[in-house]
Amino acid sequence: GEDVEQSLFLSVREGDSSVINCTYTDSSSTYLYWYKQEPGAGLQLLTYIFSNMDMKQDQRLTVLLNKKDKHLSLRIADTQTGDSAIYFCAEKPITGTASKLTFGTGTRLQVTL
Amino acid sequence: DAGVIQSPRHEVTEMGQEVTLRCKPISGHNSLFWYRQTMMRGLELLIYFNNNVPIDDSGMPEDRFSAKMPNASFSTLKIQPSEPRDSAVYFCASSYEGAVSPLHFGNGTRLTVT
Repeated sequence: GEDVEQSLFLSVREGDSSVINCTYTDSSSTYLYWYKQEPGAGLQLLTYIFSNMDMKQDQRLTVLLNKKDKHLSLRIADTQTGDSAIYFCAEKPITGTASKLTFGTGTRLQVTL
Repeated sequence: DAGVIQSPRHEVTEMGQEVTLRCKPISGHNSLFWYRQTMMRGLELLIYFNNNVPIDDSGMPEDRFSAKMPNASFSTLKIQPSEPRDSAVYFCASSYEGAVSPLHFGNGTRLTVT
């Protein structure tokens, strides 16, 4: 089955860039998503990328996809204290009947002053 | 758009009691998901409905767990009888089935079983 892996923790200083990494195993064409979870809240969709793309940029967020290595990253420029949260990578195969996502374990981002 | 609405936000109950969690998906969405989140196991998919029909309930841990979706705007997840190991945050999410199909999550119900 599909598997999505992430490192558990990342600490960065305010103003620096954060890079959160994710690897996945599904080799079929797929959508890949980044979700953010703040304390006491549900997961909020940040951005997504289709596997025929290498990069997607949205304001301070840059998603990079290396399809050969099945590696996805989320870069947050000028990281702010409000970016402290858990970030989940998720993948969805384009084929299949179920609209199910496979989530990673989440990376807790801590932003220090 | 009000988003996915879950109730209650917090539930504290004693072992053996019945617990019912409720979810109102986003209007127009035709898929609904129940997830459970714990520190030990992360985010687990419990059950998935499409057009009000349960499609995949392989993640439901035991017969003590049941879920229903009587109409497109309401779903329940019931635990009877509850046990301390059921303590977790339960999320409901909905989506419109399609190529991109991002999930929209509610704020969850934090269940504590003592």
